[in-house]
Amino acid sequence: EIVMTQSPATLSVSPGERATLSCRASQSVSSNLAWYQQKPGQAPRLLIYGAFTRATGIPARFSGSGSGTEFTLIISSLQSEDFALYYCQQYNRWPPMTFGQGTKVEIK
Amino acid sequence: EVQLVESGGGLFHPGGSLRLSCAASGFTLRSNFMSWVRQAPGKGLEWVSLINSGGNTYYADSVEGRFTFSRDNSKNTLYLQMNSLRAEDTAVYYCARDGLNGMYFDLWGRGTLVTVSS
Repeated sequence: EIVMTQSPATLSVSPGERATLSCRASQSVSSNLAWYQQKPGQAPRLLIYGAFTRATGIPARFSGSGSGTEFTLIISSLQSEDFALYYCQQYNRWPPMTFGQGTKVEIK
Repeated sequence: EVQLVESGGGLFHPGGSLRLSCAASGFTLRSNFMSWVRQAPGKGLEWVSLINSGGNTYYADSVEGRFTFSRDNSKNTLYLQMNSLRAEDTAVYYCARDGLNGMYFDLWGRGTLVTVSS
């Protein structure tokens, strides 16, 4: 099973600032990496797949990069609605598809 | 509207059984790979099971032999039969559609809460 590790666990950012979230895989997942946003009481929402492709309707301030074992999600200018939990997920080798433990982006 | 709606959650006893349903609208289930993903209270996401367009199923080790994923094409509905329930099965269960370009999840239901407790 591929283990996904996200850092930091919590990121405190002021509105309008840039947020950088990291995700590391225990072995190469090529570019088969997705990012999700989850708000309290809601289902996750797909942001990025294929490491860098934005899902339908996702604003351009969300960008993904990386390949192999190291990945990054950048939110270029945080809006109030962006404060949430973020998960990465690998789907290169399955089953199982595996998720990171999440990064909480909170208001500084 | 394209959506998934789960039902069937509630409070169940350890060792008991239940069946979750996931009704799809706006698209055809049999043409897609579909998964169940769960989230224990205050915890992260855990993939549980997948059914492919051919009807083949795959399971996480934690539920293998206890859970059964099935699909009713006539009703455009998915089912997760959950037997031999354990306290650690307590979670919100989401059904999710797998993406066209890989096993990520591009559409999620709102989830249904399963609580296993005596």
